[in-house]
Amino acid sequence: GAVVSQHPSRVICKSGTSVKIECRSLDFQATTMFWYRQFPKKSLMLMATSNEGSKATYEQGVEKDKFLINHASLTLSTLTVTSAHPEDSSFYICSARQTDRGYGYTFGSGTRLTVV
Amino acid sequence: QKEVEQNSGPLSVPEGAIASLNCTYSDRGSQSFFWYRQYSGKSPELIMFIYSNGDKEDGRFTAQLNKASQYVSLLIRDSQPSDSATYLCAVASPWAQAGTALIFGKGTTLSVSS
Repeated sequence: GAVVSQHPSRVICKSGTSVKIECRSLDFQATTMFWYRQFPKKSLMLMATSNEGSKATYEQGVEKDKFLINHASLTLSTLTVTSAHPEDSSFYICSARQTDRGYGYTFGSGTRLTVV
Repeated sequence: QKEVEQNSGPLSVPEGAIASLNCTYSDRGSQSFFWYRQYSGKSPELIMFIYSNGDKEDGRFTAQLNKASQYVSLLIRDSQPSDSATYLCAVASPWAQAGTALIFGKGTTLSVSS
């Protein structure tokens, strides 16, 4: 089945630093990947749609200069949280569509970001 | 505002009972509907998806879709304590800003007691 690998699973960083999260589709090509954020006891909120070879599309209210997304290949999308602040602490999850096998969405294992 | 609504629960059922989880959505243009299970601190895992009106069964799980009523449900038969989790309803709709991302409800917490 489709596998999406997300790394790191957990990261603690100091306020003001940047953190990069990687999302890889291991056994399929993903022209589109999605990035979600989940606060404790809340649902997944779509942050942005990442398209291979083009700029990401951000949802309303998400700062594109703060959350940098790069989708340089058909198997890799990265999310960089720049100048992180404690309010950016959250669970970040990526998802990829396996369009060559129908309509399936596969999720990465998530990254727990804690900014201190 | 396009929304996916779920009762947050908790929904408590005894072991062996049927758990019924409900979800409504606001956009009639929604085309596909997904149920995910999420354990605390973990990523969502797909239970099943449904595109057409009616029922779809997979093992102990049955998804039901009624597009006229904009309603989708998940039935879990013979509930087990290991089914205790948060169940997320997700909808793929063309009204996302780009692509066809899944939009999630807030989730229903299910507790199955032994």
